[in-house]
Amino acid sequence: QSVLTQPPSVSAAPGQKVTIYCSGSRSDIRNNYVSWYQHLPGTGPKLLIYDNDKRPSGIPNRFSGSKSGTSATLDITGLQAGDEADYYCGTWHSSLSAGVFGSGTKVTVL
Amino acid sequence: QVQLVESGGGVVQSGGSLRLSCAASGFTFSDYGMHWVRQVPGKGLEWAALVLFDGSNKYYVDSVRGRFTISRDNSKNTLYLQMNSLRVEDTAVYYCVKDKHERVEVPGHFSYGMDVWGQGTTVTVSS
Repeated sequence: QSVLTQPPSVSAAPGQKVTIYCSGSRSDIRNNYVSWYQHLPGTGPKLLIYDNDKRPSGIPNRFSGSKSGTSATLDITGLQAGDEADYYCGTWHSSLSAGVFGSGTKVTVL
Repeated sequence: QVQLVESGGGVVQSGGSLRLSCAASGFTFSDYGMHWVRQVPGKGLEWAALVLFDGSNKYYVDSVRGRFTISRDNSKNTLYLQMNSLRVEDTAVYYCVKDKHERVEVPGHFSYGMDVWGQGTTVTVSS
């Protein structure tokens, strides 16, 4: 059972926007930075967002992250067929002294 | 280019041991913390272990602490995961992963992200 809670799935039509929420606690999200990953089957996950809201080079600005209190969000705008994947939030848990991931959200482009 | 290549996966009986290796290239290995992350078939990602850039501190998820040991050889640009007392529930794809930021001494508090992932190596523990 994951420490961070995400919705199992979200969906939208091409060109639309989806928002993925990641809910945690004071020991993880509130007191530490959050990252987001895109995972396609058969490949290693890809970093989309680090330090709550920063994008690595090469990641389009259609992907954006934010954090407030014990929750974080990933927005994907201008949804494309290639965005169909599993998305995970991740952070550090100060009390456990361990990394933690969210339960994962499957994005479907209708 | 920056690359991580895992090896050492395979099939082992419950209670057995296995050592995973991860060869790093394209960056200054000794400047970055390194993680192992695993994914059980059909399940989500699970963070397993972290060793800081200089090997000074190591961290583990509760389910592997005392059975797994993460280590690194900065002279060989290689990360290891020694897995002992393996259980069926350790069956997973294991990914070697690089920290985004250099010389992190306090994970998460000032920065957090894992920016380079290997292709994964499969570990199957049979009963």
